[in-house]
Amino acid sequence: GQQVMQIPQYQHVQEGEDFTTYCNSSTTLSNIQWYKQRPGGHPVFLIQLVKSGEVKKQKRLTFQFGEAKKNSSLHITATQTTDVGTYFCAGGRGGADGLTFGKGTHLIIQP
Amino acid sequence: NAGVTQTPKFRVLKTGQSMTLLCAQDMNHEYMYWYRQDPGMGLRLIHYSVGEGTTAKGEVPDGYNVSRLKKQNFLLGLESAAPSQTSVYFCASRITHGNYEQYFGPGTRLTVT
Repeated sequence: GQQVMQIPQYQHVQEGEDFTTYCNSSTTLSNIQWYKQRPGGHPVFLIQLVKSGEVKKQKRLTFQFGEAKKNSSLHITATQTTDVGTYFCAGGRGGADGLTFGKGTHLIIQP
Repeated sequence: NAGVTQTPKFRVLKTGQSMTLLCAQDMNHEYMYWYRQDPGMGLRLIHYSVGEGTTAKGEVPDGYNVSRLKKQNFLLGLESAAPSQTSVYFCASRITHGNYEQYFGPGTRLTVT
């Protein structure tokens, strides 16, 4: 079945440093989504990428979808304490069936 | 709009007991999902439904049953709970076309002793 690998599992950064998490799928995806989960909370949708090579920005966050639609990355510039949480990528096949989630990257920020 | 709600929020079961988790959404979404989240494992799909009266198996369906008798509700049942089913359970829903964004409920933390 489809597998989605995500690295790193944990990332410690000083406040103000940049952060990147990478996602790689074993199969070509129809779309990839990114979610953020705060400690004790539920996943919250950040963005969806659909097109090959697509790049989207949300303020300090930059999301990329690879040309082969098998990998993706999330980059945060100048991290802030509010960025703390776990970031998940989730691959979709385009139908009604659910998402295949990566294991997530825990972002820990040291002030 | 309440969005997606789940009951109960917490539950402790003994091995062999049964229970039902309820998910309700008020967004008129056709598609609904049940995931489980275990430490270091991300979220894994248990079952899903594409509409009232329909259900389908996901990645880890064993030991669970589901029902979608009403469009707004999706029930997850554990007939005979096992310690391996200790987890946080999330329900999600989404529209049928276009944006694939899934809206998650707050989760149910289940412990089986």
